[in-house]
Amino acid sequence: RKEVEQDPGPFNVPEGATVAFNCTYSNSASQSFFWYRQDCRKEPKLLMSVYSSGNEDGRFTAQLNRASQYISLLIRDSKLSDSATYLCVVNAGDTGRRALTFGSGTRLQVQP
Amino acid sequence: DAGVIQSPRHEVTEMGQEVTLRCKPISGHDYLFWYRQTMMRGLELLIYFNNNVPIDDSGMPEDRFSAKMPNASFSTLKIQPSEPRDSAVYFCASSPIPGTAHHGANVLTFGAGSRLTVL
Repeated sequence: RKEVEQDPGPFNVPEGATVAFNCTYSNSASQSFFWYRQDCRKEPKLLMSVYSSGNEDGRFTAQLNRASQYISLLIRDSKLSDSATYLCVVNAGDTGRRALTFGSGTRLQVQP
Repeated sequence: DAGVIQSPRHEVTEMGQEVTLRCKPISGHDYLFWYRQTMMRGLELLIYFNNNVPIDDSGMPEDRFSAKMPNASFSTLKIQPSEPRDSAVYFCASSPIPGTAHHGANVLTFGAGSRLTVL
């Protein structure tokens, strides 16, 4: 089983739609969670951290369910500029290790 | 700050040649990471350093790969000899000194990547 699993998509949605991505992770000791965004032929960039209580940043909402080892990202009112690959990212959880494990990404295509 | 700087941006080489990729992390970031990205395998961690010391190199594919960090502002990833299956985008990333429970400590800033093609 992969450490971080995501539905690869693509998700094709019209502008203005609400879309949700899910991610599961295998290491129950993981403590830090993030969503990164990667545009075509560019480097990944941090979109938002994911906190235990859930958090929101504008049109983006992230949720964490530790019991189910599940993370989600909700995008409301999709824009054309949201088209990208969204990477679910989890830390190793082991004491002293600081490396992050990336999911393979979910591709989103917002259409006019 | 100019961010994480990688060179070269693109490299095309022939099988058997030596390849050296370079990275300059963000000043003050104590952690440096090398990742490789392919369509088939996604982003894979190769190795990371803390204060110039390699901490985990379990992701390095084989002895043909080596990485060094001679000082806080420079790291190299070397492949010798290169093979076609090494073709990928190689990303360097850095992060600041980690706190005990601060999310920001784990945030990575990536360089633009080095796209390697081995013929």
